[in-house]
Amino acid sequence: TQLLEQSPQFLSIQEGENLTVYCNSSSVFSSLQWYRQEPGEGPVLLVTVVTGGEVKKLKRLTFQFGDARKDSSLHITAAQPGDTGLYLCAGVENSGYALNFGKGTSLLVTP
Amino acid sequence: ETGVTQSPTHLIKTRGQQVTLRCSSQSGHNTVSWYQQALGQGPQFIFQYYREEENGRGNFPPRFSGLQFPNYSSELNVNALELDDSALYLCASRPGPSGGVYEQYFGPGTRLTVT
Repeated sequence: TQLLEQSPQFLSIQEGENLTVYCNSSSVFSSLQWYRQEPGEGPVLLVTVVTGGEVKKLKRLTFQFGDARKDSSLHITAAQPGDTGLYLCAGVENSGYALNFGKGTSLLVTP
Repeated sequence: ETGVTQSPTHLIKTRGQQVTLRCSSQSGHNTVSWYQQALGQGPQFIFQYYREEENGRGNFPPRFSGLQFPNYSSELNVNALELDDSALYLCASRPGPSGGVYEQYFGPGTRLTVT
């Protein structure tokens, strides 16, 4: 059972558009991570957010952790074809050894 | 610095058979975790190894077992394969066993198909 719900499941946009994907849970996590996975590859860590209300920026990507540490969002500004991939959020349990992943948002950015 | 490597890349097995997947952790990382990613799903935690011992396990049956070696490389063994075991198996390594925030590095995975 996936503890984290991601939305939307699929997203197809044109280059230059902005988008936001969401990651929601009924559970509180000690921290939350976002990964991007490309076909045939393993997930690559983009960011870790720890503090409720925290906002982190990575170039055109903005990550936010909810105040209650149950939800998060990823906003991409001026999407590029290179942003295409599967975006996964993963909550870190308090025990600290397991990542609980959502099903992911599959993003396609067309030129 | 060498990243996480996994072998083989692809594997086809028949139901009921046994399979062994291998993982070499990133240099300096002593903790290895295994995840199963079925098609259209996020990765599911199988178990974690630290200093050659399993120190965390997800909701997988005992026919999923593993080993970690003194050089921190690891194996995942699956006995009595079932069709639902078809998935991408991911290995991830990190520098410490537990607690707080950590960076975890994934390998490219082994694609297992059970027929």
